[in-house]
Amino acid sequence: TQLLEQSPQFLSIQEGENLTVYCNSSSVFSSLQWYRQEPGEGPVLLVTVVTGGEVKKLKRLTFQFGDARKDSSLHITAAQPGDTGLYLCAGSNDYKLSFGAGTTVTVRA
Amino acid sequence: SQTIHQWPATLVQPVGSPLSLECTVEGTSNPNLYWYRQAAGRGLQLLFYSVGIGQISSEVPQNLSASRPQDRQFILSSKKLLLSDSGFYLCAWNSRATEAFFGQGTRLTVV
Repeated sequence: TQLLEQSPQFLSIQEGENLTVYCNSSSVFSSLQWYRQEPGEGPVLLVTVVTGGEVKKLKRLTFQFGDARKDSSLHITAAQPGDTGLYLCAGSNDYKLSFGAGTTVTVRA
Repeated sequence: SQTIHQWPATLVQPVGSPLSLECTVEGTSNPNLYWYRQAAGRGLQLLFYSVGIGQISSEVPQNLSASRPQDRQFILSSKKLLLSDSGFYLCAWNSRATEAFFGQGTRLTVV
């Protein structure tokens, strides 16, 4: 069973639309990370959130960490084809870094 | 700067043959090291992690084993491969549970 549940599994939208990806867990994490992965490559870090209720913004991407540090969301505004990829959340506790199943995002031009 | 090397990039092995995938990290000391396996288009399944030389934590009982003979070397092995061992294997490192840096991955096909 997956420690971190991501939803939706797949998301296909038109360029310019907004999207939100969710990451939920029954466990509390000391930190939560979001990665983006291209086919055939390793994941690359987008952001790390540490504090409950924390909100971080990176250009068109907004990341939120739940107050109880069990869940997180990633929101993309005005999506572009370059945002296409597999988005993974990862929770960290005691050196162990566990990943969710991922959300495959496709942005159509 | 820190770098992580993982090889080989692709591997085709017959059922029942042994496996050895190697991962080395440069530019840092005492890294946490990880082996993950990924099914096509899906998340990463944590197989093993190590916080120091000779210290291996196994997450999933299976046909694989891991070893850390040196501080910055992490090896994934199998004595006899199964068809179900096919997949994309990723090595990663981090320091004190911060950002993980990944190798380029090994595409293993067991035939």
